[in-house]
Amino acid sequence: QSALTQPASVSGSPGQSITISCTGTSSDVGSYNLVSWYQQHPGKAPKLMIYEGSKRPSGVSNRFSGSKSGNTASLTISGLQAEDEADYYCCSYAGSSTYVVFGGGTKLTVL
Amino acid sequence: EVQLVESGGGLVQPGRSLRLSCAASGFTFDDYAMHWVRQAPGKGLEWVSGISWNSGSIGYADSVKGRFTISRDNAKNSLYLQMNSLRAEDTALYYCAKDPHSSGWTPFDYWGQGTLVTVSS
Repeated sequence: QSALTQPASVSGSPGQSITISCTGTSSDVGSYNLVSWYQQHPGKAPKLMIYEGSKRPSGVSNRFSGSKSGNTASLTISGLQAEDEADYYCCSYAGSSTYVVFGGGTKLTVL
Repeated sequence: EVQLVESGGGLVQPGRSLRLSCAASGFTFDDYAMHWVRQAPGKGLEWVSGISWNSGSIGYADSVKGRFTISRDNAKNSLYLQMNSLRAEDTALYYCAKDPHSSGWTPFDYWGQGTLVTVSS
């Protein structure tokens, strides 16, 4: 069982928007603005999509956005494209004892 | 171009040891913290360990604490993971990942392609 809870799967049609939730606790997501999101295509290494909750690395499409409310972080992908079909993982700093926790991952299917 | 190339994986019997290496290039290695993240076959990501730029700050996941040791050689632009007392549940693809900060725990802005460790008799 992962420390952060994500839905196992989400789906959407091209052009639509989807949101993936990531629920933690007051010891991780709720206490730090250090949530990051990773995209992983089959057989490939993960790619950083969002860091510090809502910041996008250079080169990442502005269709990807992040937010947080309380103990839950969210990744929103707008204008869905076929290439967005992948697994998505959230990650949070969890303090000086546990350090880092990941969510179990969400499989995004573009219909 | 940032490149992280892992090596050292393979098939090992339970209870034995293995040392993973990660060769870094394309950036000033000793300016950044580094991490190991693993992914069991068909499963999600799990952070294993991290080390600050000068090795002054080191952390481990509870699942590997006392068995794994992370280290780095800044003169060789290399990151290592010494894995002892290996268990079947350590079977995974081990990724080397770069941190954009000199001493931090997340995020991971660049990843290698991974090296596969299989623990089985």
